[in-house]
Amino acid sequence: ETGVTQTPRHLVMGMTNKKSLKCEQHLGHNAMYWYKQSAKKPLELMFVYNFKEQTENNSVPSRFSPECPNSSHLFLHLHTLQPEDSALYLCASSHGGVAGSYNEQFFGPGTRLTVL
Amino acid sequence: AQSVTQLGSHVSVSEGALVLLRCNYSSSVPPYLFWYVQYPNQGLQLLLKYTSAATLVKGINGFEAEFKKSETSFHLTKPSAHMSDAAEYFCAVSAENNNDMRFGAGTRLTVKP
Repeated sequence: ETGVTQTPRHLVMGMTNKKSLKCEQHLGHNAMYWYKQSAKKPLELMFVYNFKEQTENNSVPSRFSPECPNSSHLFLHLHTLQPEDSALYLCASSHGGVAGSYNEQFFGPGTRLTVL
Repeated sequence: AQSVTQLGSHVSVSEGALVLLRCNYSSSVPPYLFWYVQYPNQGLQLLLKYTSAATLVKGINGFEAEFKKSETSFHLTKPSAHMSDAAEYFCAVSAENNNDMRFGAGTRLTVKP
């Protein structure tokens, strides 16, 4: 397995469900990101982890809870979501904050989430 | 603070015609600039990047972009469009030692036969 992988690729959940999105990177990077991509809206950065420490939380509602157990894995735990949370959730990784790094981000294929 | 503006949310060209997607940036420090492409139901794939070396950058699939500091621009071009180029294109900016990458709103490219 190479690059950035995300599972599941598609998820349908009710507003009372609890589910988790998983992201794994095989690139040796130390920074990982969650983005939300909604139709007709710019890419929204949700969370950033650098060396497993959360360095950014862009005012994301508490019904989204990230977890980064190590530099290769990133989770997004979901609970009591709203229909407006339906979107494509993208994970990315990069070298992140390393001297001389270009911060080029590598993206996974995304999880298409539908909240009913 | 850094930001990018992509002019035109939708661009339509005929197959074989020139592709020009516009991106202007704002940055208080020397920027790193990127173009990404996204095909339907997929993640973003890097097309090319500017990292303060050559101002004319060549990428994959025949695309290239030119960094023009005087115009704060990083427009993406391809001499001859192919049907397979139909996708969404994102310009992005970041800086050295910085995790913060800012994306433009995207430009959807349509290629007509």
